Amino acid sequence: EAGVTQSPTHLIKTRGQQATLRCSPISGHTSVYWYQQALGLGLQFLLWYDEGEERNRGNFPPRFSGRQFPNYSSELNVNALELEDSALYLCASSFYRMAVEAFFGQGTRLTVV
Amino acid sequence: AQSVAQPEDQVNVAEGNPLTVKCTYSVSGNPYLFWYVQYPNRGLQFLLKYITGDNLVKGSYGFEAEFNKSQTSFHLKKPSALVSDSALYFCAVRHNAGNNRKLIWGLGTSLAVNP
Repeated sequence: EAGVTQSPTHLIKTRGQQATLRCSPISGHTSVYWYQQALGLGLQFLLWYDEGEERNRGNFPPRFSGRQFPNYSSELNVNALELEDSALYLCASSFYRMAVEAFFGQGTRLTVV
Repeated sequence: AQSVAQPEDQVNVAEGNPLTVKCTYSVSGNPYLFWYVQYPNRGLQFLLKYITGDNLVKGSYGFEAEFNKSQTSFHLKKPSALVSDSALYFCAVRHNAGNNRKLIWGLGTSLAVNP
């Protein structure tokens, strides 16, 4: 069974540009979660999608946005990149209505220069 | 406010000794509790979970955790640490009421096992 896959593995962008990160959940999982892991700050919850809808949002500015497609894959977009957006972005998937753990992808390392 | 606390930023233990990584939570109701491990430059890997039943939960790689409802704690333990256990450990709680079922995360504890 394929795990959660994220692309690209690494992404280097210039301040002010836009970044698009992609996530494919485990087959059958309908929920996708996005997290930001910046150095020294632990895991910061960004967004939660389930069945194509945004269910919850963390304390991030609107320039962080995303969507979930009919096949449950997801995209995270970060507009007007700032240097402090440099971080590891992790995607996780799970069944929404079942009490099971979330499975994580390997992450996308975004570097803003 | 709902929260998860991992009171120790770093835990150091000698190889072969028992280890404990602490986690306490403040979440109403009967939450689900999880431990994850993160190796350098990798995503998180699930270790174990508590949903209901026996308070002692056994998970991957010889880890176990004890749920203590009165102390609202879910400490991670291993009887004999290995150097390869050195990693970042995260405790998470999933609120299980209403429509808000997102995971609430601790800030992580860095475990260093010394040979």
